[in-house]
Amino acid sequence: KQEVTQIPAALSVPEGENLVLNCSFTDSAIYNLQWFRQDPGKGLTSLLLIQSSQREQTSGRLNASLDKSSGRSTLYIAASQPGDSATYLCAVRSNDYKLSFGAGTTVTVRA
Amino acid sequence: GAVVSQHPSWVICKSGTSVKIECRSLDFQATTMFWYRQFPKQSLMLMATSNEGSKATYEQGVEKDKFLINHASLTLSTLTVTSAHPEDSSFYICSAAQSNQPQHFGDGTRLSIL
Repeated sequence: KQEVTQIPAALSVPEGENLVLNCSFTDSAIYNLQWFRQDPGKGLTSLLLIQSSQREQTSGRLNASLDKSSGRSTLYIAASQPGDSATYLCAVRSNDYKLSFGAGTTVTVRA
Repeated sequence: GAVVSQHPSWVICKSGTSVKIECRSLDFQATTMFWYRQFPKQSLMLMATSNEGSKATYEQGVEKDKFLINHASLTLSTLTVTSAHPEDSSFYICSAAQSNQPQHFGDGTRLSIL
């Protein structure tokens, strides 16, 4: 069974600082890995999707890397803003197309 | 982008009643829909997977008679929590996917059972 772990569970930084969020998974036989943002009481917004054959994906201030062999992914958010405050979820899609989620990292960016 | 609508967004009801949650894909045909449950500060846990026209496949530990899932069309799936009790209070989220494409998520339903 795929286990997904996210560290740290919570993070508080001043505005402008870069954010580094970590995700690890136990089974390297994945189809892809996805990073989501979740605001309180809301659903999920997809941020980046990395296919198993890719090493990284970038979108604006966001960059996600994937090291499948070591079971790790990192989400980098450059020059953080208060609007980046949210919970960030990592999800791994297995070859049976099911998603396994981490518990998330709750980010607070202080103005 | 693809849009999934989930309704209601919040429901409060008395213990013993049944509650139905709808999940609609608005601009694509969802061959597969997923239902998740999320407790505070915890990850999303997959409850069941439903394919249009077929019976839902439930994850281990999820009572199929408690959580009834219907996926009668390519744009609508429903989750009915039967005889709800306080321990069923949670945040329920649906997602929809077309073939093997990425899942698109609804905004979730907060269920509170008194």
